[in-house]
Amino acid sequence: ETGVTQSPTHLIKTRGQQVTLRCSSQSGHNTVSWYQQALGQGPQFIFQYYREEENGRGNFPPRFSGLQFPNYSSELNVNALELDDSALYLCASSLGLDNSPLHFGNGTRLTVT
Amino acid sequence: EDQVTQSPEALRLQEGESSSLNCSYTVSGLRGLFWYRQDPGKGPEFLFTLYSAGEEKEKERLKATLTKKESFLHITAPKPEDSATYLCAVPEGNNRLAFGKGNQVVVIP
Repeated sequence: ETGVTQSPTHLIKTRGQQVTLRCSSQSGHNTVSWYQQALGQGPQFIFQYYREEENGRGNFPPRFSGLQFPNYSSELNVNALELDDSALYLCASSLGLDNSPLHFGNGTRLTVT
Repeated sequence: EDQVTQSPEALRLQEGESSSLNCSYTVSGLRGLFWYRQDPGKGPEFLFTLYSAGEEKEKERLKATLTKKESFLHITAPKPEDSATYLCAVPEGNNRLAFGKGNQVVVIP
């Protein structure tokens, strides 16, 4: 069973740039959620995709956007990067929408300078 | 308003010194409470789900319990490899979780 994989593992960007983060979900999982984790904080929900449609969004501005592909992999795009966007971005997959446990990848560490 | 509050924020234990971590929550109609373990530079790893008051679950030296207002994660005779941040979370929608800030545990040999 292949777990959740994320790429890249680390990324440094300049304020104002755009970034794309990628996630491959665990085999058999059709739901992908993205979380932002600032240093010393718990993960904060960004949005969720279920069968290629956005299925819920947290308190993040529209410059955070995403996609889910037919193979259930996903992308997180962030435009006009700000210094406060520096964080660990976590992708989690699950099966369906029944509050089954989320399986997280190891994240992408984004640093905005 | 915070839905999940964890205490203590940080805890240093001697190897073998048992202790408990607390997670209090304010959601009504709880649809499960989740515990995760997170090692530095890694994603959270699922430990337990608890659904109803009085429920208990165990895994090695960890035991999670649930009441109507809080959950406890008991660490019995911890070892250095139990050092991690333990995250508590509750659902606030379909598969979206509201996390606490975590309990950072360091076990000293």
